[in-house]
Amino acid sequence: KQEVTQIPAALSVPEGENLVLNCSFTDSAIYNLQWFRQDPGKGLTSLLLIQSSQREQTSGRLNASLDKSSGRSTLYIAASQPGDSATYLCAVPVGGSQGNLIFGKGTKLSVKP
Amino acid sequence: GAVVSQHPSWVICKSGTSVKIECRSLDFQATTMFWYRQFPKQSLMLMATSNEGSKATYEQGVEKDKFLINHASLTLSTLTVTSAHPEDSSFYICSAPDRGHDTEAFFGQGTRLTVV
Repeated sequence: KQEVTQIPAALSVPEGENLVLNCSFTDSAIYNLQWFRQDPGKGLTSLLLIQSSQREQTSGRLNASLDKSSGRSTLYIAASQPGDSATYLCAVPVGGSQGNLIFGKGTKLSVKP
Repeated sequence: GAVVSQHPSWVICKSGTSVKIECRSLDFQATTMFWYRQFPKQSLMLMATSNEGSKATYEQGVEKDKFLINHASLTLSTLTVTSAHPEDSSFYICSAPDRGHDTEAFFGQGTRLTVV
């Protein structure tokens, strides 16, 4: 059974720092991995989707890497800003269905001005 | 990216009443939509898969008679929480995969349900 773990559970950094969020999964046979952002009481915003054949994806200040063999993904945020404060979730699909996603519990990020 | 709209964003209801939550795909068609639930400090967990024109499929442990799902069109799925109890208080959120975006999953805004 696939399990997704995110470390750390919470992170507080001063504005301007570069930071890395970690995601690990137990079953390396994944089709893709998706990173989301969740603001308090709000829905999920898709940040990056990495296909199993890819090693990384970039969007602006965000860079996500994927190492299937070791069951790990990292989300790198460059030059963090207070507006980056949110909970970051990673998720992998069960089989090939993008509907049944297994989520980690998330990393709650706080960027202090 | 694709847009999924969920309504209402929050609702408070009395025990024993029913609450309907709507999930719409605004700029694409979704033959399948998915309903998740998130308890405080827990992961999002899939509750059920909503299939257009056919019955929903429920995950183990989810009562199908309590959580009624209807997917009447290619852009709308509804979740009705029947005879709500305080333990049903949770964050409910829907998603729809957009095959035009590498089947990326897009989520609605979520609904915070509080049963008093």
